[in-house]
Amino acid sequence: QKEVEQNSGPLSVPEGAIASLNCTYSDRGSQSFFWYRQYSGKSPELIMSIYSNGDKEDGRFTAQLNKASQYVSLLIRDSQPSDSATYLCAGGLYNFNKFYFGSGTKLNVKP
Amino acid sequence: DARVTQTPRHKVTEMGQEVTMRCQPILGHNTVFWYRQTMMQGLELLAYFRNRAPLDDSGMPKDRFSAEMPDATLATLKIQPSEPRDSAVYFCASGLFPDSNEQFFGPGTRLTVL
Repeated sequence: QKEVEQNSGPLSVPEGAIASLNCTYSDRGSQSFFWYRQYSGKSPELIMSIYSNGDKEDGRFTAQLNKASQYVSLLIRDSQPSDSATYLCAGGLYNFNKFYFGSGTKLNVKP
Repeated sequence: DARVTQTPRHKVTEMGQEVTMRCQPILGHNTVFWYRQTMMQGLELLAYFRNRAPLDDSGMPKDRFSAEMPDATLATLKIQPSEPRDSAVYFCASGLFPDSNEQFFGPGTRLTVL
């Protein structure tokens, strides 16, 4: 079992729809969680960070954390073709000990 | 500069050669990370430093890899001797701890070992 797991996809959604990306983690002590977007051939770009249970919204993006169920999700509202990328989930302790990235979910937004 | 920079961006070398990759973290950041990304393994943490001191290099093959921070504006990752299985994209990231534990990635060095 990997420390952070994601469905590799691809996840295909039509333009304008809500894309829902999910991630589970195995270490109950994890404190910090992040979503990165990575375009093909580019470096990961930080989109959202979340530390507390509940929702955190930033523009079209909402991160959700449920520590009891050990999952993190990212919702992208009004998906655009430019959102097509691989989304990496990461999590671990605040001081970076036991910090891991998931393998990523490829998202395709169809015009 | 508010970006992490890495050099070289691409490197092709032959097995057995020494490879040195360099990273300039965002000015003022005190934590620097080295990652390796491959299709098979995804993104793996190799090592990280805080205030130039190595805190964790457990992800790094010790026999051939070494990482250093000669000063606050330069981090290096060296592979000697290089092997074909080292072919990957190597990313450097930096952050400012404990104010935040967000990491910001550089553009990466794509290494091909023939």
